[in-house]
Amino acid sequence: DAGVTQSPTHLIKTRGQQVTLRCSPKSGHDTVSWYQQALGQGPQFIFQYYEEEERQRGNFPDRFSGHQFPNYSSELNVNALLLGDSALYLCASSLLDRGAGETQYFGPGTRLLVL
Amino acid sequence: AQSVSQHNHHVILSEAASLELGCNYSYGGTVNLFWYVQYPGQHLQLLLKYFSGDPLVKGIKGFEAEFIKSKFSFNLRKPSVQWSDTAEYFCAVNGNTGFQKLVFGTGTRLLVSP
Repeated sequence: DAGVTQSPTHLIKTRGQQVTLRCSPKSGHDTVSWYQQALGQGPQFIFQYYEEEERQRGNFPDRFSGHQFPNYSSELNVNALLLGDSALYLCASSLLDRGAGETQYFGPGTRLLVL
Repeated sequence: AQSVSQHNHHVILSEAASLELGCNYSYGGTVNLFWYVQYPGQHLQLLLKYFSGDPLVKGIKGFEAEFIKSKFSFNLRKPSVQWSDTAEYFCAVNGNTGFQKLVFGTGTRLLVSP
């Protein structure tokens, strides 16, 4: 049973460029959440996707956008990259349980460096 | 505002010492509580979770945590640490209905010396 997978593992971009990160959820999971983890910090919630729609969003600018596909996989896009976007980007998948919340399982992350 | 506070940023222990990592949260409503661990070079892994019921929850590798609602706390404990417990530990909270984001603390780096 494959866990959450993410690609690529590492990425180097320059300021102003655009980047797309990809995530495949754990088998059987229908919800994908994205987090940004800056060095020395805990993960910060970016947004969450369910049924191909953004269900909740954290305090991130519109430069951050996403998509969920019918097979539940997801992409995170960041436009007009800034130096401050350098971080580890984590994808987490879960199975929605409206009554009790859910447990999120994390992938290995994509480390983005913006020069 | 929703927040999680982890009081110890760095902890250094010798093998066989007891461990307690503090976690306090601020979150309106009924909560779910989690401890995640990140071993060097590995991804975040779930250590244990509290959804409801017995406030003392047991996780993997001999870890346990106690939810004290009156203190808004969810401290992590282990009676005897091992060198392999060297890692970063994150406390997190979310609400107990669907579409709930996880709110993380800043993490505690634990170094266990052999």
